[in-house]
Amino acid sequence: GDSVTQMEGPVTLSEEAFLTINCTYTATGYPSLFWYVQYPGEGLQLLLKATKADDKGSNKGFEATYRKETTSFHLEKGSVQVSDSAVYFCALSDPNAGGTSYGKLTFGQGTILTVHP
Amino acid sequence: DGGITQSPKYLFRKEGQNVTLSCEQNLNHDAMYWYRQDPGQGLRLIYYSQIVNDFQKGDIAEGYSVSREKKESFPLTVTSAQKNPTAFYLCASSMDSAYEQYFGPGTRLTVT
Repeated sequence: GDSVTQMEGPVTLSEEAFLTINCTYTATGYPSLFWYVQYPGEGLQLLLKATKADDKGSNKGFEATYRKETTSFHLEKGSVQVSDSAVYFCALSDPNAGGTSYGKLTFGQGTILTVHP
Repeated sequence: DGGITQSPKYLFRKEGQNVTLSCEQNLNHDAMYWYRQDPGQGLRLIYYSQIVNDFQKGDIAEGYSVSREKKESFPLTVTSAQKNPTAFYLCASSMDSAYEQYFGPGTRLTVT
């Protein structure tokens, strides 16, 4: 079945450092890929998405490129801020899946990011 | 403002009691979902519904039940049969199952 593997955390950075959170996936079809962010005590917010190979999703300075050849969707940001401290989830949805898997989001385990001033 | 609301934010129950968690959306989305989040385990799908009056079991449906009588509402009941009900519960919705999901703020359930 589909699966998502994320870089293990926690990740601790100083403000203005470069961020990379690795995400690789396994899917039988051609999935859509997502990054969600969760701030303490809150629900998940969609950060960015990509629906086909070589698409780049971007939002709030974060970027991720859908790489089919390496089955990856790594999250990057050039200069992190203290306010970026949160848990980041990589997820996939296979719109071509049938039966009970249709539309299902498969999540990675999440990566905790802490940014210090 | 369009969005998803979950209530209450915190819920406390005694073991052996059923409890119902509310989820309402005014986004006019067809599909709705319930997830459970435990520390270090990411999110796991409990139930989902693609249209009114229809729903499907997710990966961990045992001990839970749902209904979808109205498009905007998808309540989740945690029954006494659920062995480890203490968790953070998240509701989500999407335009249909092929689109990205949007999440509510969550309900933290504690059962003692």
